[in-house]
Amino acid sequence: TQLLEQSPQFLSIQEGENLTVYCNSSSVFSSLQWYRQEPGEGPVLLVTVVTGGEVKKLKRLTFQFGDARKDSSLHITAAQPGDTGLYLCAGIDSNYQLIWGAGTKLIIKP
Amino acid sequence: ETGVTQTPRHLVMGMTNKKSLKCEQHLGHNAMYWYKQSAKKPLELMFVYSLEERVENNSVPSRFSPECPNSSHLFLHLHTLQPEDSALYLCASSQGTGGSTDTQYFGPGTRLTVL
Repeated sequence: TQLLEQSPQFLSIQEGENLTVYCNSSSVFSSLQWYRQEPGEGPVLLVTVVTGGEVKKLKRLTFQFGDARKDSSLHITAAQPGDTGLYLCAGIDSNYQLIWGAGTKLIIKP
Repeated sequence: ETGVTQTPRHLVMGMTNKKSLKCEQHLGHNAMYWYKQSAKKPLELMFVYSLEERVENNSVPSRFSPECPNSSHLFLHLHTLQPEDSALYLCASSQGTGGSTDTQYFGPGTRLTVL
């Protein structure tokens, strides 16, 4: 069974702080997606990373795909209350199956 | 607003009830999906429909019965559910034909509680 482990499961920090969340696996993925799910809503795709070592930025969010395409990280600079939500990663494996992580629940306190 | 709507948003039902969840997409997409989301667990793909035909059924108990009457509507019929079926049920759609590389657009979900 392929797993995508997300860590930490829960993170609560003050507005203005920086944070990093991780998505790790022992499997190689052809691409990896990051979603944000706000309370009462469905997940919304933030970014897709495809190439090993790739870095993508979305305003204060920086996404990186590991060189071996087995892991990824999401770094948020100067977190805002609007960043609060559940962050999900999902990877496409060699069988073209979409494998989901369990998510990191992030709370940014004003 | 992602263009995918789900009704009802909340549902409480007894184990002997029969109810249906409805999903509608306004994006002109070809594929629709049902997922189950439980706390602290990965999303579980339940069913995939492409051009109104079921293309995937991931060992889901028969007490869940999907229906896709056209490319814009998807239903999930529920009967004799168990308390462990309580979860958020998410509908999604994609422009492609249901492959894993398609970008999926999710609805807000139906929060189901089985008593």
